Amino acid sequence: EDQVTQSPEALRLQEGESSSLNCSYTVSGLRGLFWYRQDPGKGPEFLFTLYSAGEEKEKERLKATLTKKESFLHITAPKPEDSATYLCAVQENFGNEKLTFGTGTRLTIIP
Amino acid sequence: DSGVTQTPKHLITATGQRVTLRCSPRSGDLSVYWYQQSLDQGLQFLIQYYNGEERAKGNILERFSAQQFPDLHSELNLSSLELGDSALYFCASSVNRDRNYGYTFGSGTRLTVV
Repeated sequence: EDQVTQSPEALRLQEGESSSLNCSYTVSGLRGLFWYRQDPGKGPEFLFTLYSAGEEKEKERLKATLTKKESFLHITAPKPEDSATYLCAVQENFGNEKLTFGTGTRLTIIP
Repeated sequence: DSGVTQTPKHLITATGQRVTLRCSPRSGDLSVYWYQQSLDQGLQFLIQYYNGEERAKGNILERFSAQQFPDLHSELNLSSLELGDSALYFCASSVNRDRNYGYTFGSGTRLTVV
């Protein structure tokens, strides 16, 4: 069964202090790895899809990378508005299209 | 606005009751997915429909059922409700199985069972 583990569970950073969130996964064949951002009481907001090891994608202060066993979400010089829970999910290569989610990293950026 | 519409936004009901959650997918999206999110667990996949047909089932209880109608909107029916069913229920939609842009989620229905 697909497994997704995110670490740390929570992270507090000062504004401007860069860091990385980790997502390790186990899947029989990876079709895609997804990053989402979720604000309290709202639905997850799509950020990135990564398909193969070595792939990188960027959006503003966020950069996602992928290896065969894990993905990192790098946050450069974060701002308070980057505070949210960041969710990682995997989709396997065969069968249905469901996403298996990790439990997320709750990121707080302190002004 | 993500384009995925869920109603109602909040629902408070008593144990043993039955409720129906509604989802209208983004225009052009054929797949609808239902997820449950509770405090102690992450997003748990319940069920997927594609163009009116059930495509995949996850950890969906027998007390729960869903369907997708010809206009592609979907309903999730929860019956014999228990306190533990209190959670956020999200609907998501995507284009089709061959293209991978990620799901688009709605804003959810918060269900409270008292």
